[in-house]
Amino acid sequence: DGGITQSPKYLFRKEGQNVTLSCEQNLNHDAMYWYRQDPGQGLRLIYYSQIVNDFQKGDIAEGYSVSREKKESFPLTVTSAQKNPTAFYLCASSLDAGPYEQYFGPGTRLTVT
Amino acid sequence: EDKVVQSPLSLVVHEGDTVTLNCSYEVTNFRSLLWYKQEKKAPTFLFMLTSSGIEKKSGRLSSILDKKELFSILNITATQTGDSAVYLCAVAGANSKLTFGKGITLSVRP
Repeated sequence: DGGITQSPKYLFRKEGQNVTLSCEQNLNHDAMYWYRQDPGQGLRLIYYSQIVNDFQKGDIAEGYSVSREKKESFPLTVTSAQKNPTAFYLCASSLDAGPYEQYFGPGTRLTVT
Repeated sequence: EDKVVQSPLSLVVHEGDTVTLNCSYEVTNFRSLLWYKQEKKAPTFLFMLTSSGIEKKSGRLSSILDKKELFSILNITATQTGDSAVYLCAVAGANSKLTFGKGITLSVRP
């Protein structure tokens, strides 16, 4: 089955700890994206990558970091510098950076207390 | 700054009703407008629109884009309880980055 997987589904962390969210795709897509969704806020872009070993900041990159060492994988680290990390995190991919639809993974719900 | 505004933010209808969901936008270097349906988890793709006046249709759902007036509508006819979801509108601008609206919560009552 082709698709995007995110793990874990639910994640709980103590304040001050870094945490890494996994995103893997086997669609052979070049472009990958991370979004954050808060109630009533829609989706906001954190980071995106159009090709391996390259990525750009989105609209709310502060307190987050990413890497793109493999085409299939785009992990997101939520650092202790992120002031309000509790949210629903969605990973997406598209064929390339052209005007193609983005396909989403099932999401990870992160709770930091 | 790119901007997407959806309206209404929520609505409640009865099964069999027809609904129209609105999306207006301001974006630099418009490339496409996309509609997604989100039922608690991952948004699922519905339509991508790039040209004005050409209706996209899938079953009871249809959508059209007006690039002159900068808006799109999503119509759902003969609504069913399974249509209850959040409907997201997004526009792709420079670098094909998507800017999302806040979403429209549709509740369809039996």
